[in-house]
Amino acid sequence: DAGVIQSPRHEVTEMGQEVTLRCKPISGHNSLFWYRQTMMRGLELLIYFNNNVPIDDSGMPEDRFSAKMPNASFSTLKIQPSEPRDSAVYFCASSGWDSNNQPQHFGDGTRLSIL
Amino acid sequence: KQEVTQIPAALSVPEGENLVLNCSFTDSAIYNLQWFRQDPGKGLTSLLLIQSSQREQTSGRLNASLDKSSGRSTLYIAASQPGDSATYLCAVIPGYGGATNKLIFGTGTLLAVQP
Repeated sequence: DAGVIQSPRHEVTEMGQEVTLRCKPISGHNSLFWYRQTMMRGLELLIYFNNNVPIDDSGMPEDRFSAKMPNASFSTLKIQPSEPRDSAVYFCASSGWDSNNQPQHFGDGTRLSIL
Repeated sequence: KQEVTQIPAALSVPEGENLVLNCSFTDSAIYNLQWFRQDPGKGLTSLLLIQSSQREQTSGRLNASLDKSSGRSTLYIAASQPGDSATYLCAVIPGYGGATNKLIFGTGTLLAVQP
């Protein structure tokens, strides 16, 4: 089992640039979650998908953030345009059927720095 | 609004000591509670998941308890080892029906086990 794979591991870019974070969930998992972790706010859920469909995006900070899941094995989180306050570690997680009673498996995260 | 608090924020103990980490939540209406471990620069690893109908779960040297009525959970680590050093986070899925899948995280306890 390869686990949840995120890329890139680190991203440094200038304010105003578009940033795309990628995630490959564990094969067979049907729920996918995007989180953001900062010192000030801790871990926050941004959006989650069930069977490739966005279920709850209430945590997405603003319209500059968008997420897609075109198929069961791939998801992207895009920030356009990026701002310094978007600097954080972004985690992707996946879980299996009946995800409320199964643990979420996390990737190692993408550390994003916006200059 | 559900809020999750963890005390203490940091803890340092000598190797071999038994220890307890605390987690409290403001709304007793939860679907389940989960404990995670986070190592520096890594994602979260699920340790234990307690469903709302359960009182405790055990895995090896770890034991987690849940008291919904008082809004509390504890994670007991027996015979601590330097390898247990990490940040420990608890999280709840709020609600009765489990429709949200939305984990609400505490701020974590940073544990250091001294050899």
